[in-house]
Amino acid sequence: DAKTTQPNSMESNEEEPVHLPCNHSTISGTDYIHWYRQLPSQGPEYVIHGLTSNVNNRMASLAIAEDRKSSTLILHRATLRDAAVYYCILRDWAGGKLIFGQGTELSVKP
Amino acid sequence: DTEVTQTPKHLVMGMTNKKSLKCEQHMGHRAMYWYKQKAKKPPELMFVYSYEKLSINESVPSRFSPECPNSSLLNLHLHALQPEDSALYLCASSHSGGRETQYFGPGTRLLVL
Repeated sequence: DAKTTQPNSMESNEEEPVHLPCNHSTISGTDYIHWYRQLPSQGPEYVIHGLTSNVNNRMASLAIAEDRKSSTLILHRATLRDAAVYYCILRDWAGGKLIFGQGTELSVKP
Repeated sequence: DTEVTQTPKHLVMGMTNKKSLKCEQHMGHRAMYWYKQKAKKPPELMFVYSYEKLSINESVPSRFSPECPNSSLLNLHLHALQPEDSALYLCASSHSGGRETQYFGPGTRLLVL
């Protein structure tokens, strides 16, 4: 599975947008980009995924670079409940495994 | 209902004990997973069951023994564990084991003394 690189930590202010970057320069053409997050004392939860086009759902938006070597998870208005570790994961067409990298620990200040 | 439940929430055991972790889902999912997560580290896959059959074992020591008695239940039997096995054990499930979303339980926090 291809590797991803994320900053170890980021800070945000409440009610401001947050852009969480992920580099995946060795991504293959069939790899999907998935994001999960893990709130304190909970199991990971799915956030969003995409292949080539930008994606939106009720939780977040995913912006994918044209060359697909990087992507950005966008939280439009961070809340205190968004404080979590965010994982960017590449999954191929079979994709049974979730291989977590180190993730980005997001803290949100009131 | 997208809930995966795990029992117990916390477990303390000695190195000579035998204990079991239990995971349950009622979403009709046919793939179930065990992950291990050490403090401040990402989760690591241990086992995958697909249609009640073990499909992936990530070279986990035999002191961890998984069992899938039916499509809703997943157990992890623990025997002769070491203190370094202390961790959060996470269960997850997904529709059939491909690239679909995995749903995680809250985990069992295990301490081995």
